[in-house]
Amino acid sequence: QKEVEQNSGPLSVPEGAIASLNCTYSDRVSQSFFWYRQYSGKSPELIMSIYSNGDKEDGRFTAQLNKASQYVSLLIRDSQPSDSATYLCAVTRGNFNKFYFGSGTKLNVKP
Amino acid sequence: DGGITQSPKYLFRKEGQNVTLSCEQNLNHDAMYWYRQDPGQGLRLIYYSQIVNDFQKGDIAEGYSVSREKKESFPLTVTSAQKNPTAFYLCASSIPFRDRGGQPQHFGDGTRLSIL
Repeated sequence: QKEVEQNSGPLSVPEGAIASLNCTYSDRVSQSFFWYRQYSGKSPELIMSIYSNGDKEDGRFTAQLNKASQYVSLLIRDSQPSDSATYLCAVTRGNFNKFYFGSGTKLNVKP
Repeated sequence: DGGITQSPKYLFRKEGQNVTLSCEQNLNHDAMYWYRQDPGQGLRLIYYSQIVNDFQKGDIAEGYSVSREKKESFPLTVTSAQKNPTAFYLCASSIPFRDRGGQPQHFGDGTRLSIL
């Protein structure tokens, strides 16, 4: 079983719609959760960090964490063509400094 | 501005040759990491280091070597033993969990390595 699992997509949404990206993780002691956006040919850039259950909003982005169900999601409101990218979910746990990355979900926002 | 600098952006390796990828950071981060990314794939951890003069193997360390002689530098050598080195290599750094609890990683712009 992979540490972090994401649907590879592609997820296609029309411009202006809400894009919902999901991620599940296997280790219950995971404590820190991150979403990265990676444009084709570029390096990942951090979008959101979330550490406790519930929602965290930053502009058009909302991260949701449910530790009991071991999933974390990213909502993108008013999706724009510039949001088209691969979104990586990452998880860390305890005193280990290793980051566990999912394989990413490719998002296409159609004009 | 603080950040992570990887060089070169593009690198070509001949058969039987070792090549070294540079990674320098001025974020004052203790932890540094090397990842490999193949087309359409996720990140795979090669090596990581939590402190100067110490490093650990990741999931795909065979054919690679690293050193950590200075806090700001973590070079990766791709040896001739790595038979399929063509990939996008990413260096990252972070503040260790013990210091500030679960801080994210920050990435350099990457080095694209190809075989001649």
